[in-house]
Amino acid sequence: GQNIDQPTEMTATEGAIVQINCTYQTSGFNGLFWYQQHAGEAPTFLSYNVLDGLEEKGRFSSFLSRSKGYSYLLLKELQMKDSASYLCAVRDSNYQLIWGAGTKLIIKP
Amino acid sequence: TAGITQAPTSQILAAGRSMTLRCTQDMRHNAMYWYRQDLGLGLRLIHYSNTAGTTGKGEVPDGYSVSRANTDDFPLTLASAVPSQTSVYFCASSESEKGGYTFGSGTRLTVV
Repeated sequence: GQNIDQPTEMTATEGAIVQINCTYQTSGFNGLFWYQQHAGEAPTFLSYNVLDGLEEKGRFSSFLSRSKGYSYLLLKELQMKDSASYLCAVRDSNYQLIWGAGTKLIIKP
Repeated sequence: TAGITQAPTSQILAAGRSMTLRCTQDMRHNAMYWYRQDLGLGLRLIHYSNTAGTTGKGEVPDGYSVSRANTDDFPLTLASAVPSQTSVYFCASSESEKGGYTFGSGTRLTVV
């Protein structure tokens, strides 16, 4: 079966750096997405990786290793507004998105 | 503002009743999707449509039906609601099945 694993919850301090990991086992691979979802709101797009390596976008970076079935989302200079759930999703060989359950990130002052 | 509109925002529905969740997008995206999101679980695909006139079943299609008469609209119908269909429902669209997704604001449905 297809599976996306990410930690259920993480806690970090305002101003610090946090890394959220995602491992996947899917039928084929056509890209990996990270989405942010604030409580009670819709997911919003953060990043997309299809080739190995690091994609940087402001305070957020996403890394992919296809051989290891592994990605991480790196958030720098954490702000209180970064408190949210972070969803990892992989597009499989049928171009369907397989979603992880999400990582709830709690930022403390 | 361009995007996806879902209606209603929330609804309490008696078991056995039918209901249609509406979804309209104005981005002229070809692909549209319906997901349900339950606590502790990832988004689960109910039905999808890669282009107007075509639909397909996702991971959890039982008890739901969809239609795609035109590019903009993708309604989701529950023919006879059951309590296990209590969930938050998100509609999403993408320019193609290869693109990133834009989500609507969701419909919170409670079946009692």
